[in-house]
Amino acid sequence: GAVVSQHPSWVICKSGTSVKIECRSLDFQATTMFWYRQFPKQSLMLMATSNEGSKATYEQGVEKDKFLINHASLTLSTLTVTSAHPEDSSFYICSGGDRDISPLHFGNGTRLTVT
Amino acid sequence: GQNIDQPTEMTATEGAIVQINCTYQTSGFNGLFWYQQHAGEAPTFLSYNVLDGLEEKGRFSSFLSRSKGYSYLLLKELQMKDSASYLCAPMDSNYQLIWGAGTKLIIKP
Repeated sequence: GAVVSQHPSWVICKSGTSVKIECRSLDFQATTMFWYRQFPKQSLMLMATSNEGSKATYEQGVEKDKFLINHASLTLSTLTVTSAHPEDSSFYICSGGDRDISPLHFGNGTRLTVT
Repeated sequence: GQNIDQPTEMTATEGAIVQINCTYQTSGFNGLFWYQQHAGEAPTFLSYNVLDGLEEKGRFSSFLSRSKGYSYLLLKELQMKDSASYLCAPMDSNYQLIWGAGTKLIIKP
């Protein structure tokens, strides 16, 4: 089946630093990439949607200058958490689809801990 | 508004059958997905229904009634590894998946 490779799996960083998370679609072209955040025992929260070659669309309440998304190719999307704070500690998951109605293929997620 | 209603938690016995119900309200509808999510892991795709009726895939089956805004996931011959959260995710008119908190399924020996 389709695979999305997400790195790193976990990262610990100091408050004020930036962290980049990468997602690569390995055997399909991800025309759309979704970035989610999930706090313990809560539902997936969509942060932003990006289409290859265009600017990401951010959900209400998500700071676009803090969560930088780049979707430069059909196989690579990145999320950079800038000036991270402890409240940004969460499980970040990317998912990609190759057409409107298709199952989303999820990366394995990145557990971010900001100290 | 858009919302999903699933039981928060269910318990079942190994080898038995369990049905997880989901009711939903969305702006438009482009099908409904079921995902499985083990603790600390990302969701994995289980099934997709766009027409009314039952879709069977091995031990898992999913049912949809669009007129009732209702779906269920049926798991047969339960195994301990089926302990996970099950997410019902309808797709709205903008092809966005709507996520609820899911149903945590606990399997007991």
